[in-house]
Amino acid sequence: DSGVTQTPKHLITATGQRVTLRCSPRSGDLSVYWYQQSLDQGLQFLIQYYNGEERAKGNILERFSAQQFPDLHSELNLSSLELGDSALYFCASSVRRGGTDTQYFGPGTRLTVL
Amino acid sequence: GENVEQHPSTLSVQEGDSAVIKCTYSDSASNYFPWYKQELGKRPQLIIDIRSNVGEKKDQRIAVTLNKTAKHFSLHITETQPEDSAVYFCAARFSGGYQKVTFGTGTKLQVIP
Repeated sequence: DSGVTQTPKHLITATGQRVTLRCSPRSGDLSVYWYQQSLDQGLQFLIQYYNGEERAKGNILERFSAQQFPDLHSELNLSSLELGDSALYFCASSVRRGGTDTQYFGPGTRLTVL
Repeated sequence: GENVEQHPSTLSVQEGDSAVIKCTYSDSASNYFPWYKQELGKRPQLIIDIRSNVGEKKDQRIAVTLNKTAKHFSLHITETQPEDSAVYFCAARFSGGYQKVTFGTGTKLQVIP
């Protein structure tokens, strides 16, 4: 157990819908990262937050948005869902904002769009 | 942009043999290179990492080597065991922007008993 929690574990929804994925970082970690992993694919970096502020953006679609709250938990919002959005979504956390910190991954949320 | 190439994409070895996975990166200023292991349906877990001021690091049966001149780094697993079967991802921390980490495309390692 990495100490990073994600809810829900599984999510099944329909095209066009909107969902919210939640992540709680390890105690004391200020940075949260979101990744998308499609079937048998690598980890695509989406976005990073540090202490409530957006710090880096990767290949995140305009239909997707995220935020980090004062208690440091983060939410990833996916809207106008398409079949291709079906994937495992991981969040990770680290202590500082620098990339040399070890990133600890949560168990992931498996999103299925029908 | 930042790029990490990883080879091979799949690797099968007999139990007890060694496995080597190689990655190359594009930014010569990169200074941190972690390796993650992901078992089927589970989260990626850090198994070893190396910083650019070190050429080699070992942890029991796992070692990572870094060649900064050639901009490549490798994961070496000796005396492989069936439980080593997983997908392995390399990653590199790039120096630009907020120094995000970019992952390679992964290597599916199968250790045959």
